[in-house]
Amino acid sequence: AQSVAQPEDQVNVAEGNPLTVKCTYSVSGNPYLFWYVQYPNRGLQFLLKYITGDNLVKGSYGFEAEFNKSQTSFHLKKPSALVSDSALYFCAVRDGWGFQKLVFGTGTRLLVSP
Amino acid sequence: GAVVSQHPSRVICKSGTSVKIECRSLDFQATTMFWYRQFPKKSLMLMATSNEGSKATYEQGVEKDKFLINHASLTLSTLTVTSAHPEDSSFYICSAKSERGTYEQYFGPGTRLTVT
Repeated sequence: AQSVAQPEDQVNVAEGNPLTVKCTYSVSGNPYLFWYVQYPNRGLQFLLKYITGDNLVKGSYGFEAEFNKSQTSFHLKKPSALVSDSALYFCAVRDGWGFQKLVFGTGTRLLVSP
Repeated sequence: GAVVSQHPSRVICKSGTSVKIECRSLDFQATTMFWYRQFPKKSLMLMATSNEGSKATYEQGVEKDKFLINHASLTLSTLTVTSAHPEDSSFYICSAKSERGTYEQYFGPGTRLTVT
């Protein structure tokens, strides 16, 4: 079965500094990977996805993610963090063919301090 | 972008009663919708996959008679929590897959259910 792991419960970073939120995956076949962000008491917002192509994927709000096949990782990055980036971030992988389920990681809370 | 709404955003009900949550895709058709449950500080747990015009597919361990799902149209899926108990209190989130085949799911804002 497909799975993703987010090893950090929380990431703390100062505003203006670069941020990284880690995600590793375990899949059979080609991975379809996603990042979502959740603000308090809200649903998830799509940030970016990797299907095929360039290993560096650019997404919404200045976020990007790097697909690394050898390390089976898909870390989320941003060059300069904003306080408003503070939220809960989920990595996810498509489970099965024909697109159906998404399997989510446990989430990483990002806290950006002023 | 694709918009998914949920109603209500918050609901408080008494133990033993039933409550219905609606999930609508506002500007696209969705033959497939998903229902998730999120516990505090936990990830999303997929409860079921809802397919328009057919029975929902439930994940292992989810009681289909307790969590009734109906997907009567291409823009509406409903989740009914029957005979709710305090342990059913949770944040319920739906999502919809766009038929444009872009692979991502669009999520609703969630419904906070509190059973007293």
